[in-house]
Formats: sequence, C-alpha cells, structure tokens
Amino acid sequence: DGGITQSPKYLFRKEGQNVTLSCEQNLNHDAMYWYRQDPGQGLRLIYYSQIVNDFQKGDIAEGYSVSREKKESFPLTVTSAQKNPTAFYLCASSINRDYEQYFGPGTRLTVT
Amino acid sequence: AQRVTQPEKLLSVFKGAPVELKCNYSYSGSPELFWYVQYSRQRLQLLLRHISRESIKGFTADLNKGETSFHLKKPFAQEEDSAMYYCALSGSSNTGKLIFGQGTTLQVKP
Repeated sequence: DGGITQSPKYLFRKEGQNVTLSCEQNLNHDAMYWYRQDPGQGLRLIYYSQIVNDFQKGDIAEGYSVSREKKESFPLTVTSAQKNPTAFYLCASSINRDYEQYFGPGTRLTVT
Repeated sequence: AQRVTQPEKLLSVFKGAPVELKCNYSYSGSPELFWYVQYSRQRLQLLLRHISRESIKGFTADLNKGETSFHLKKPFAQEEDSAMYYCALSGSSNTGKLIFGQGTTLQVKP
C-alpha cells in the first residue's frame, strides 16, 4: 500500500555520522510530520511542515534537521549532535493541519 | 502543559469480555482527541476521533471534560483487537501537532 513511504526500513550508523531518513508521499498532502517512537514514551514530534519551503520545530528538535523543497518529500537528518539517536522514526502526512494523519511504515535507526 | 496519560502499559482480557483503555489529558482549551491503533506488522492508523462521534470496529470513546478523560471502550473484545493503542491530543495554535500518550498494549486471549 503506497501513499506514504519511508526508506530504508533498518539503518545502521556509527556514532558521529550524520544520517538522512527518507519520507515520500504521493497523497498530495500539504502537511508532513516526523515523530520519534521510544519504548514506553509514545510518539514525540521532532519537526513538522505545513507547506512547501516551510517547517517548524516540534518538541524534540535538537540534533535533527529537515528540509521541504518538494511537496512530496520531507527528509529528516539525524546529526551527530543528537545524543540518543537510536530509535524508531515515523513520518506522517495529512491534507492539512485539520485532518487525519497518515503514517509511514517507519525506519529503525541504530547508532553504535 | 499539554499532556496525555495512558496509565496502563498492558491490558489483558479474554475474548468476549468488555474492554476499557484509559486516557486522561491535560489541556487548557477545547481539546481535540484521537485514538490511533497499530496492529502487528501494520502501520499506525486512526481508529476514531471524538469530533466524528463514530463507532469504529465496535469501539467508542466519549470525551468527558469534567474528568479530562477520553477512554476507549468496547463491550465484547475480539482476538483481532489485539494491538497497541495510542491516545492523542491535537496541540494548540492549530498546527496539526499531535501529542501522544505512552500507548497501551491490548492483548485479547482466546
């Protein structure tokens, strides 16, 4: 089921390296979101974008960066400044801020 | 501060038993609340939102502003209801931001 895709499913990196997670959607949605999921903590918002070329920090943006150059794409870069990067990352999109969010399958990042 | 609390990490019931997944929230304005569900090996998806007042897969949730709760209920649990359930609150400033609870795993035993 297409719609919103994330790649890769699993990602391994060495500490100190930046890594970029891909999120693509073909739903023509304006809004896109990045969440981080940790055991026992639910989902926490990293960054969100309501329109192309615009994005805002979420609750835990430190150590992350994003871009929104195209409506379909919202890549997330996990920088070496992120102290605990190992986590499951979920991307979501919605028609706009007032509508249901559709989630991607997620990327599990492991940094050693 | 805006917060969503799901007090139970795991809820285990037998098939046919009633289910209530608890959700409490902290929010100063008029809240918009959701329940999302993640079945095994599937994506997180919306189950229901309080505005629509729908019953999805037999689940209902009523917003109780006095108790600041949005508990999810089903009168007779089915094995296929086994999943992780997240309660979520739409944040302020009309940004579309969602604040999630910690999640509750529902296990329905045969």
